[in-house]
Amino acid sequence: QQQVKQSPQSLIVQKGGIPIINCAYENTAFDYFPWYQQFPGKGPALLIAIRPDVSEKKEGRFTISFNKSAKQFSLHIMDSQPGDSATYFCAASTGSGTYKYIFGTGTRLKVLA
Amino acid sequence: NAGVTQTPKFQVLKTGQSMTLQCAQDMNHEYMSWYRQDPGMGLRLIHYSVGAGITDQGEVPNGYNVSRSTTEDFPLRLLSAAPSQTSVYFCASRGLSGNTIYFGEGSWLTVV
Repeated sequence: QQQVKQSPQSLIVQKGGIPIINCAYENTAFDYFPWYQQFPGKGPALLIAIRPDVSEKKEGRFTISFNKSAKQFSLHIMDSQPGDSATYFCAASTGSGTYKYIFGTGTRLKVLA
Repeated sequence: NAGVTQTPKFQVLKTGQSMTLQCAQDMNHEYMSWYRQDPGMGLRLIHYSVGAGITDQGEVPNGYNVSRSTTEDFPLRLLSAAPSQTSVYFCASRGLSGNTIYFGEGSWLTVV
């Protein structure tokens, strides 16, 4: 119940394409869903996050879609660029004070020029 | 603003050796933690701390020890290194009032 399942494991798109990364969870107590972006040789950094009271959140070219009934959320990258090539992790946590985040297994995205 | 600083960046150990991965943060964050990252496994929580003098186990604590004597520092000790501990280790911190986890740049550890 604590797992967050992420797919696909890897993804290759052409520049300008819209890669979509999906995550699914079981624990209905999760109430915070961030996405982290990691470049090679670096630590993950927060990209965008959503709470279950909204179905969509946009920040620049990055959009999270959230489906509470299906217990799924996804990351869309509009007009993808080669600079977006990175590993993306979804995560989930419970409660405003908790420190325990459950991370997905990661998606390695490559955007071709 | 340094954020979360980890040392060393790279380390090679022989099986059975012990070592300490250092982590320091300058953001006065209460929460600190250690993760390991392995291919296909994502980020798994090893140990975490909610304040000086308070530590607890995460998902994969065996073979590791931690202590938190100050707010700034959270070292991770490998007691007797094993090849299964070959991994990339990330230290992270978070403030009491926020949700964002800030990660260090990682420590690449190889146990031979």
